[in-house]
Amino acid sequence: DTGVSQNPRHKITKRGQNVTFRCDPISEHNRLYWYRQTLGQGPEFLTYFQNEAQLEKSRLLSDRFSAERPKGSFSTLEIQRTEQGDSAMYLCASSLIGVREKLFFGSGTQLSVL
Amino acid sequence: DQQVKQNSPSLSVQEGRISILNCDYTNSMFDYFLWYKKYPAEGPTFLISISSIKDKNEDGRFTVFLNKSAKHLSLHIVPSQPGDSAVYFCAARSAGGGADGLTFGKGTHLIIQP
Repeated sequence: DTGVSQNPRHKITKRGQNVTFRCDPISEHNRLYWYRQTLGQGPEFLTYFQNEAQLEKSRLLSDRFSAERPKGSFSTLEIQRTEQGDSAMYLCASSLIGVREKLFFGSGTQLSVL
Repeated sequence: DQQVKQNSPSLSVQEGRISILNCDYTNSMFDYFLWYKKYPAEGPTFLISISSIKDKNEDGRFTVFLNKSAKHLSLHIVPSQPGDSAVYFCAARSAGGGADGLTFGKGTHLIIQP
C-alpha cells in the first residue's frame, strides 16, 4: 500500500504525559501536513513541511506541540504535557508541489487524554 | 469565525435521486475549492475540486458548482448510491498567502436510503 500511513491509530494517555505520533507520507510527495479534527468539526490546519523545512505553523500549534521532518520523508508530531483539550484525531496528509490542494490523508491517530 | 460553512449537519436522500450538498464561504481571497469525502475510521479522501475562474466542474456522477458573487458552492451527486453515504467536507484555499493549508467546513453527513 502506497498511501499515507500514521502510527499509532489510537493513543490513550494521562494528562501531563508526552506523546509522539508518526506519519509516513506517499513516497514521492514533498509536502506534508498535520491537521487536527475534533468531534463535529472539520480538520484544522496545524503545520506543514516542504521537504524537511517547516514553512508554516497555525496559531493552534501551541509551544507544547513540535513537529519534525528530519530527512524530508517521515514526520513526527510531539505533544508535551498533554491536556484534556488535546484529545482529537490528528491527521497527516501529503501532496506534490504544484498540486498541493489535493491532499492525500492518512487514517489519523485518535488521541484520548484522561 | 467559520470561513467555510456547511449549515446542514446531515442530509438524507433516497437511492437513485440527486444529492445536493451546500457550502458557503466568507473569505474573498479563497481561489480554489475542494470537496472531500470521509468514511468512519478513515481519513478524508479527495473527491472533486474547482478553481475560482470556473463555475462548474464535472467528474462522473459528481458536479461542483461555484457562485462567486454569492460565495456559495454546491456538490451534486447523481444518481446517489449507497456507497455515497459518508461525511462530506467542503474546503477552500486562500490565494492571499499565509498558511498553505486548506480551510475546512464542519461537514455534512450524507445518508443514502435504499
